[in-house]
Amino acid sequence: DTGVSQDPRHKITKRGQNVTFRCDPISEHNRLYWYRQTLGQGPEFLTYFQNEAQLEKSRLLSDRFSAERPKGSFSTLEIQRTEQGDSAMYLCASSQTGTGEGKLFFGSGTQLSVL
Amino acid sequence: AQSVTQLDSHVSVSEGTPVLLRCNYSSSYSPSLFWYVQHPNKGLQLLLKYTSAATLVKGINGFEAEFKKSETSFHLTKPSAHMSDAAEYFCVVSDPAGKSTFGDGTTLTVKP
Repeated sequence: DTGVSQDPRHKITKRGQNVTFRCDPISEHNRLYWYRQTLGQGPEFLTYFQNEAQLEKSRLLSDRFSAERPKGSFSTLEIQRTEQGDSAMYLCASSQTGTGEGKLFFGSGTQLSVL
Repeated sequence: AQSVTQLDSHVSVSEGTPVLLRCNYSSSYSPSLFWYVQHPNKGLQLLLKYTSAATLVKGINGFEAEFKKSETSFHLTKPSAHMSDAAEYFCVVSDPAGKSTFGDGTTLTVKP
């Protein structure tokens, strides 16, 4: 068990650019979640997958955001035409249905700064 | 629908004294409740989970939480604070799909 890993750890970009983040969950976990956390707030749900299927997407999530989990393993989160308001920590978590229900294992996050 | 309210944004205690971090929740389901801790520059870590097997849940590092359905509360306690407990604490409610809603967090400061 190597834990949840996210890449990159930090990303600085200019407004209007596209960015993509990667998350590698714990290998036997079938669920993968993306959250966003800004300073002084708790993590906010963005979307989640069960295997390769994206089952729910937050209504707060702009159409500029898209996530994939093509083979039910790693996932990518893309933000198109970034805005300064997108600056945040993007967290990935994974879990296993059944006995691990609801227990999330988090990665260290990707800190995005949009200039 | 579900939501979490952490009643204190900051709590400050002296080392060796008790800790109480308060959390109220609402949920349309029979709730799954959690406490997570976030140390500076580190990832979120699960402290404990309410599984409905017992209303008093024991977690890591001496923390406990008591589920009170009548009060819709899930407060976190520790009998004696340690300097290493200083961190951000999040109360979380989860729906049957595992989608988790976090509170805004409580910053715990421990004074020597």
